[in-house]
Amino acid sequence: ETGVTQTPRHLVMGMTNKKSLKCEQHLGHNAMYWYKQSAKKPLELMFVYSLEERVENNSVPSRFSPECPNSSHLFLHLHTLQPEDSALYLCASSQDVRGNPYEQYFGPGTRLTVT
Amino acid sequence: AQSVTQPDIHITVSEGASLELRCNYSYGATPYLFWYVQSPGQGLQLLLKYFSGDTLVQGIKGFEAEFKRSQSSFNLRKPSVHWSDAAEYFCAVAATSGTYKYIFGTGTRLKVLA
Repeated sequence: ETGVTQTPRHLVMGMTNKKSLKCEQHLGHNAMYWYKQSAKKPLELMFVYSLEERVENNSVPSRFSPECPNSSHLFLHLHTLQPEDSALYLCASSQDVRGNPYEQYFGPGTRLTVT
Repeated sequence: AQSVTQPDIHITVSEGASLELRCNYSYGATPYLFWYVQSPGQGLQLLLKYFSGDTLVQGIKGFEAEFKRSQSSFNLRKPSVHWSDAAEYFCAVAATSGTYKYIFGTGTRLKVLA
């Protein structure tokens, strides 16, 4: 595997379900990101982890819960979602040194549909 | 506050024609600037970036962009478009330090006519 991988690629879940999205980066980076991409809206940064520490949390509802067990893996745990949470969820990684931003490398995304 | 504007939601060009996609940003100092491309069903791929130095930057797939401080712009160009360039293009800006926040524009969808 190379680059950034995400599983599953597609997910349909009911509002009462619990599911998790997985992201893995094979680039040796130390910062990882979750974004939400909805139609006709800019990418929304949800969470940022640097060196496995959460450094950014952009007022995301608590029904989204991130987890970063190591610098190569990032999860997004989902529970009691709403239909408006249906979107493409993108994971990205970058090299990060003392908060200086570097170019991000994105995974293919997980297309989430909440029914 | 930082912001990025891509004024063109859709652009249609003929194959072989030149292309310019516009990007304007708002930021108090010189930010880091990026262009990404997204094909249907895919994530974003970095085309090019500007951090400092030469204001004309070359990227992959024959793209280039020019940073113009006086106009707060970072327009993307390609001299001859190929059908495979049809995709959505995103401009992004990041502060030069102290934040992890990248601000993306709303994107420009490029259609290429054969």
